Amino acid sequence: DAGVIQSPRHEVTEMGQEVTLRCKPISGHNSLFWYRQTMMRGLELLIYFNNNVPIDDSGMPEDRFSAKMPNASFSTLKIQPSEPRDSAVYFCASSHFRTENEKLFFGSGTQLSVL
Amino acid sequence: AQKVTQAQTEISVVEKEDVTLDCVYETRDTTYYLFWYKQPPSGELVFLIRRNSFDEQNEISGRYSWNFQKSTSSFNFTITASQVVDSAVYFCALSVTNSGGYQKVTFGIGTKLQVIP
Repeated sequence: DAGVIQSPRHEVTEMGQEVTLRCKPISGHNSLFWYRQTMMRGLELLIYFNNNVPIDDSGMPEDRFSAKMPNASFSTLKIQPSEPRDSAVYFCASSHFRTENEKLFFGSGTQLSVL
Repeated sequence: AQKVTQAQTEISVVEKEDVTLDCVYETRDTTYYLFWYKQPPSGELVFLIRRNSFDEQNEISGRYSWNFQKSTSSFNFTITASQVVDSAVYFCALSVTNSGGYQKVTFGIGTKLQVIP
């Protein structure tokens, strides 16, 4: 398996622009997580999907952030409009609580810079 | 509520020294998993170990060892004879899955380890 695939690896955009981050989880996994990593806050859970359904979005900072999982093999995290404080590394992770015993598999992350 | 505390934000050691990374967790659940992940400078997060709450046996893997103590809610990680390649940020994590199959994973803030040659 190719592992969790995230795109793009790097994104530089200007304040006010829309940003879309993409994630392809490992086939067969039924849990998908979006995390944001910053120096100040470490790894923050933004949203968690189970069987394509958002279960916990309490970590989504505000209405500018939205996430979708239209099917088991694809998820997006959108920021509109983006702000400089959104600059961070965004990780996607997938798992299956039963077959993987809750181990998370992480993508390589997207380094987002909002100027 | 779940919480993971890694009190050490940064540690520096000289190569070949032993170093222990502390992790203290809080949960009301009796069934859970504990993890350590490594994040080298390249940025990806790499799984190191998983422990379930019913298995308090300590584990050794090469230069790495883990000490799980439920009595103190701790899951500490020791690197023996540290090497420069061990320089990374290490995350401790707690995972709980409820009866509905919903998984909640809480990460600590991470400990940045610098091994000086």
